[in-house]
Amino acid sequence: GAVVSQHPSWVICKSGTSVKIECRSLDFQATTMFWYRQFPKQSLMLMATSNEGSKATYEQGVEKDKFLINHASLTLSTLTVTSAHPEDSSFYICSASKQGFSGELFFGEGSRLTVL
Amino acid sequence: AQRVTQPEKLLSVFKGAPVELKCNYSYSGSPELFWYVQYSRQRLQLLLRHISRESIKGFTADLNKGETSFHLKKPFAQEEDSAMYYCALKKQSNTGKLIFGQGTTLQVKP
Repeated sequence: GAVVSQHPSWVICKSGTSVKIECRSLDFQATTMFWYRQFPKQSLMLMATSNEGSKATYEQGVEKDKFLINHASLTLSTLTVTSAHPEDSSFYICSASKQGFSGELFFGEGSRLTVL
Repeated sequence: AQRVTQPEKLLSVFKGAPVELKCNYSYSGSPELFWYVQYSRQRLQLLLRHISRESIKGFTADLNKGETSFHLKKPFAQEEDSAMYYCALKKQSNTGKLIFGQGTTLQVKP
């Protein structure tokens, strides 16, 4: 199997604080992980590509200082939403591909962030 | 620019009826397309990919380069097919970058 797990699945924070979301590949090594953002009843928007041991690659329009991504090991990538504001409230989903990407991404269960 | 369009937000059919979920794409290169599905309270998962030319759970999808489409079809819908379906385009070679369509909710009524 290929399981990707996110934590926390649900978090509420105050405006101005920072929140960290973890994404782990439980039974495989993922050199690359992807972070998506999903608004209610809308599509998944690719935010950034997280590469193990190097800097993340951000999609156009995504603030890298706002959404800090760290991929320190082959099984863990973290997304930190810094100085969160209510407009950052969203559903954040990570995914990972096995080495030798065949087209299948394995998705985490998602993390719902609510900023008050 | 790469783009994936799913024109229908909601598709409602009766059990046993044929289903076609539409997907159109724009991409200048040679496309690789996928269908992902999300069942209620579950995570997104791969349904099928065009290069495999496979049928999964009775679903098939044919890449039509002339019409730039990759519609998902099933001849006889089942209630358990009710889910959110996303069409996705591989953005770059040898990476996992996927561009998703807006998604279509399939509702199969008894």
